Amino acid sequence: DIQVTQSPSFLSASVGDRVTITCRASQDISTYLTWYQQKPGKAPKRLIYASSTLQTGVPSRFSGSGSGTEFTLTISSLQPEDFATYYCQQLNSFPFTFGPGTKVDIK
Amino acid sequence: EVQLEESGGGPVKPGGSLRLSCVASGFTFSNYGMSWVRQAPGKGLEWVSSITSSSSYINYADSVRGRFTISRDNAKNSLYLQMNSLRAEDTAVYYCASAVAMDHGHEVWGQGTTVTVSS
Repeated sequence: DIQVTQSPSFLSASVGDRVTITCRASQDISTYLTWYQQKPGKAPKRLIYASSTLQTGVPSRFSGSGSGTEFTLTISSLQPEDFATYYCQQLNSFPFTFGPGTKVDIK
Repeated sequence: EVQLEESGGGPVKPGGSLRLSCVASGFTFSNYGMSWVRQAPGKGLEWVSSITSSSSYINYADSVRGRFTISRDNAKNSLYLQMNSLRAEDTAVYYCASAVAMDHGHEVWGQGTTVTVSS
């Protein structure tokens, strides 16, 4: 099975900050990686798929990059509504493992 | 409006069974792969099972294989998860989610249904 790790697990940031979250896969997954945002008590929301394709309707301050085993999600200027937990998921092969999540909190 | 709505969750004793349902609306259900994803209280997301649009291919997480069965009825725009031999560690919110292309992840999610396994 492909293992997926995320770093950091928690980050504290201010409105306007640039934030970067890293996701690593235990083997080459090409660009089969999706990023989700989840707020408390709500279902996940897809932000980016195929490593770097922005989901329709998602603000352009969100971007994704990477291929192979290392991927990043960047929020160029953090907004109040962006405080949430972010998960990556590999879709290269079953089981479709999620990373453990990164909680972005208000500094 | 594109929507998924789960039902069927509730309390159940260890060893018991439940059947979750997910009804789709606002899109052509038969064109989409579907999955179940769960989230234990205070924990992260865990992929449980996926099924292709025509039910040709089905996959399960090791943690549920042999106990859970995913199925769908395209005529009823419905997805199901039959859960048998339930354990305390199956306690979670269960989400259904759709994927036009499974390798792009899931673009539409339901609101979730809660399963609590406890004696």
